[in-house]
Amino acid sequence: GIQVEQSPPDLILQEGANSTLRCNFSDSVNNLQWFHQNPWGQLINLFYIPSGTKQNGRLSATTVATERYSLLYISSSQTTDSGVYFCAVGSGGSNYKLTFGKGTLLTVNP
Amino acid sequence: DVKVTQSSRYLVKRTGEKVFLECVQDMDHENMFWYRQDPGLGLRLIYFSYDVKMKEKGDIPEGYSVSREKKERFSLILESASTNQTSMYLCASSLKQLGGEKLFFGSGTQLSVL
Repeated sequence: GIQVEQSPPDLILQEGANSTLRCNFSDSVNNLQWFHQNPWGQLINLFYIPSGTKQNGRLSATTVATERYSLLYISSSQTTDSGVYFCAVGSGGSNYKLTFGKGTLLTVNP
Repeated sequence: DVKVTQSSRYLVKRTGEKVFLECVQDMDHENMFWYRQDPGLGLRLIYFSYDVKMKEKGDIPEGYSVSREKKERFSLILESASTNQTSMYLCASSLKQLGGEKLFFGSGTQLSVL
């Protein structure tokens, strides 16, 4: 199956800093999503982005499907951005079966 | 906003008990999923349903079964709970149409089997 690798595994920032999280995948995909899991365990869907670029407030994401990677940008980070960020991918006719990466644990200090 | 509701936030059961985890979504989504999340192993798909009474095995179906009698409700059943089924269980839903597969999660059920 598809392999998904996220980097870095851990990231510590001061409030106000910018960051880039990366997701590499081993095969072509037609479904790619980014999630944020807050400290209480709730998973929030940030982006559905199998290709191209999207922006939502301080967050933006870019997927370069031909080169098999996606990037999540967080600008002017806030303490509420803390948590684990997951990338998940799916492919072919079974693209609903997402394979999740291990996540990036982000800590934003005040 | 899509709302996916799981019936319990925390659950403690004994080994051998039959356990039901319930999930309800309010956005008329065709697809519903059950995942479990374990430290170091990430999220793994247990079962998936794309329509009423339809189900497909995910990556780790052993020891579990599911039921989908109504479109909005998807139940996960542990026929005889074991300690290795202690985990966080997450329900999710999405549309079936191509391009509409954005996944929405419930808040999770932390199950402890003693």
